Amino acid sequence: ETGVTQSPTHLIKTRGQQVTLRCSSQSGHNTVSWYQQALGQGPQFIFQYYREEENGRGNFPPRFSGLQFPNYSSELNVNALELDDSALYLCASSFDLSRALTGELFFGEGSRLTVL
Amino acid sequence: GNSVTQMEGPVTLSEEAFLTINCTYTATGYPSLFWYVQYPGEGLQLLLKATKADDKGSNKGFEATYRKETTSFHLEKGSVQVSDSAVYFCALVGGSEKLVFGKGTKLTVNP
Repeated sequence: ETGVTQSPTHLIKTRGQQVTLRCSSQSGHNTVSWYQQALGQGPQFIFQYYREEENGRGNFPPRFSGLQFPNYSSELNVNALELDDSALYLCASSFDLSRALTGELFFGEGSRLTVL
Repeated sequence: GNSVTQMEGPVTLSEEAFLTINCTYTATGYPSLFWYVQYPGEGLQLLLKATKADDKGSNKGFEATYRKETTSFHLEKGSVQVSDSAVYFCALVGGSEKLVFGKGTKLTVNP
């Protein structure tokens, strides 16, 4: 039991719509990272938040945005959905930034998004 | 940038067989190396890690040694079980880049 919970677990959207995915960090963790895992691929880094500030971003367009709240939970928002956005979206929390930088991440089970 | 290449799957073995999953990497400086495992219906879990050259990470009977001269971090287990069936990801973190994953190798162990 990692303690990281994500919602919803599955959802279906149509092209052009917007989606919000949510993540509750493991207790005591102040750093959250989001990853996109396309079918048959490894997870790809989207962005990371540390104490409510973005701390690093991968090669994703601006229509991918995020938030971290004072309780360190987090949201991933994707606007103007495209078919290629269909993937498993993973949230991972870390005790602090230094642990995140050394790869000590605790992953949730993910939110599977299908875009039709 | 940093990258990880791991052997293509799927890999199918009989119970008690020896397992090797190859992983090589490209990175600047001295990255930390990881193996993550994703069991069916579950999130990614850290299996083992190594933070410097010649370090050996181990957990649940799995081992991997950080080989800087060959830029490799191959995963091995002497005797696999049905419960080891999962997808295994090699990953690294180094420089200013966040965790970078390989494409994953699906392992199926038959009784």
